[in-house]
Amino acid sequence: QSALTQPASVSGSPGQSITISCTGTSSDVGSYNLVSWYQQHPGKAPKLMIYEGSKRPSGVSNRFSGSKSGNTASLTISGLQAEDEADYYCCSYAGSSTFVFGTGTKVTVL
Amino acid sequence: EVQLVESGGGLVQPGGSLRLSCAASGFTFSSYWMSWVRQAPGKGLEWVANIKQDGSEKYYVDSVKGRFTISRDNAKNSLYLQMNSLRAEDTAVYYCARDGGSYGPEYFQHWGQGTLVTVSS
Repeated sequence: QSALTQPASVSGSPGQSITISCTGTSSDVGSYNLVSWYQQHPGKAPKLMIYEGSKRPSGVSNRFSGSKSGNTASLTISGLQAEDEADYYCCSYAGSSTFVFGTGTKVTVL
Repeated sequence: EVQLVESGGGLVQPGGSLRLSCAASGFTFSSYWMSWVRQAPGKGLEWVANIKQDGSEKYYVDSVKGRFTISRDNAKNSLYLQMNSLRAEDTAVYYCARDGGSYGPEYFQHWGQGTLVTVSS
């Protein structure tokens, strides 16, 4: 149950696109199509942004997209906006009804 | 509107116990897996435990096995976390979360606002 690996920080200018990687193993990310992504603003509860690898919940901007290749999942934010500045966490199903989160990535809008 | 409201957090001494509660509303509570997720101060999210719709299956992260017990009361639309033998490293904001899957646990669709547990002498 080791945490998934994410870059500590990613930054971009308004309007640009950024991608956050989430690297796991063949026991979690690589084995299931159950990676989800969460946005968390300071002092707030996390918010679901992507589920089942690439699906967006109702109300989430289509600027957010998810994908997966092998043991690595990715979250792309296109058309970066000031309100996207937050912490982002990936999460993967890890078998036997358990879950593992990523280490978290701080997104800064320059 | 889905609402999850945690309560029961506070300051407790190492080795002590605490029981967290989560009051759910706005959905059919008995139809969903429920989880507890925690976040230590300045740190990342950590899944702690989850429980099946009827309470028949419960799963825990290794670090809390044997010390924490998750339970639910579907008649009261409530989720609980009994925490015993608390350690300093259990200090965190504890979030109640509702799953989004239609069968098995898949992802955390709705979250409460969290309750802070501080373990310190």
